[in-house]
Amino acid sequence: GQNIDQPTEMTATEGAIVQINCTYQTSGFNGLFWYQQHAGEAPTFLSYNVLDGLEEKGRFSSVLSRSKVYSYLLLKELQMKDSASYLCAVGTGGYNKLIFGAGTRLAVHP
Amino acid sequence: DSGVTQTPKHLITATGQRVTLRCSPRSGDLSVYWYQQSLDQGLQFLIQYYNGEERAKGNILERFSAQQFPDLHSELNLSSLELGDSALYFCASSVEGAGGPSDTQYFGPGTRLTVL
Repeated sequence: GQNIDQPTEMTATEGAIVQINCTYQTSGFNGLFWYQQHAGEAPTFLSYNVLDGLEEKGRFSSVLSRSKVYSYLLLKELQMKDSASYLCAVGTGGYNKLIFGAGTRLAVHP
Repeated sequence: DSGVTQTPKHLITATGQRVTLRCSPRSGDLSVYWYQQSLDQGLQFLIQYYNGEERAKGNILERFSAQQFPDLHSELNLSSLELGDSALYFCASSVEGAGGPSDTQYFGPGTRLTVL
């Protein structure tokens, strides 16, 4: 079967660093995506990894290990507006169908 | 703003009815995807179209159908609606939908469907 696991909820303090983990088990792999979704809004693209290693975009970084079928999203200098769900998704198949995890709800508190 | 538009934003209807959700992809994108997100559930892939042709199907019910028109906009038709169909329906678009390294999907604002 196809499965993507990520923690359901996390809390962190404003200004801190948080790491959101994602493990996956899929038939096929075209790359791993991270999206941010505020409640009731559209998912917004954050990052994409297809090779092992680090991708950095401002305060957000993502790391992929294909041998460990694992990725994590690192959020630095947390702000209150970072309170949202973070969705891990794997592209599979010839047409890049995305399989999404259930998402990790991050609450940032002062 | 992702550049993907969806209408209507909200839709309230009764069980047994039929509705049509509309999506216009970003300029230049040929591939359109539909997803369903129920309360406290992850995004479930429904169906993908590329340049007017169906490309991939996910967990789409037989009561649901979709199409992509020559101008590349897409419609998702939901019929014989049930209470459990209440959800957010998102459309996404990408350039090709072929899994290339830059073939990121960009999501529209969604249509919130409430079935009473």
